[in-house]
Amino acid sequence: AQRVTQPEKLLSVFKGAPVELKCNYSYSGSPELFWYVQYSRQRLQLLLRHISRESIKGFTADLNKGETSFHLKKPFAQEEDSAMYYCAPLNSGGSNYKLTFGKGTLLTVNP
Amino acid sequence: GAVVSQHPSWVICKSGTSVKIECRSLDFQATTMFWYRQFPKQSLMLMATSNEGSKATYEQGVEKDKFLINHASLTLSTLTVTSAHPEDSSFYICSAGPPGLAETQYFGPGTRLLVL
Repeated sequence: AQRVTQPEKLLSVFKGAPVELKCNYSYSGSPELFWYVQYSRQRLQLLLRHISRESIKGFTADLNKGETSFHLKKPFAQEEDSAMYYCAPLNSGGSNYKLTFGKGTLLTVNP
Repeated sequence: GAVVSQHPSWVICKSGTSVKIECRSLDFQATTMFWYRQFPKQSLMLMATSNEGSKATYEQGVEKDKFLINHASLTLSTLTVTSAHPEDSSFYICSAGPPGLAETQYFGPGTRLLVL
């Protein structure tokens, strides 16, 4: 089974500072990983997936197979980035896919 | 973009009664939907995978007879909490993925259940 660890429950930075939300995984096979975000009083939404290698809202995440990590980074945090962030590997079995969520990191960006 | 809705958004019920929660994919068909449970300030815990036209697949530790799932059509899955007890009070969230992108999940807004 694929497992994910988000070591930081809380992360607080000041506006304009770089931010890195850590995610480590344990797997067999080729992992597919996602970052989901939940803003206050909103539904969970996809932020980015590693295979697309895109930058969303200034966030990027690189899959490092050597370190088994998928850390989420942003060079200059904004107050509106304050939210709960979940790293989620995709478990695939047969024709079914399912996401396993890490425990999440609550990011607070202070003015 | 893909939209998933849930109804009701919140419900209060008496202990011992049953509560049905609906999850709908509004602009796409979903052969698979997922039901999660989220406790306050905690992560989402997958309860079961709802498969259209077949039985749901439950995660370990989730009682099948307690949480009945029906996926009667390609746009609707229902979760029924039977004989609810206060410990069933929680935030229940569903998700679904469009065909061909089933691994990309779109989440409903959640249903808050309070059992008195």
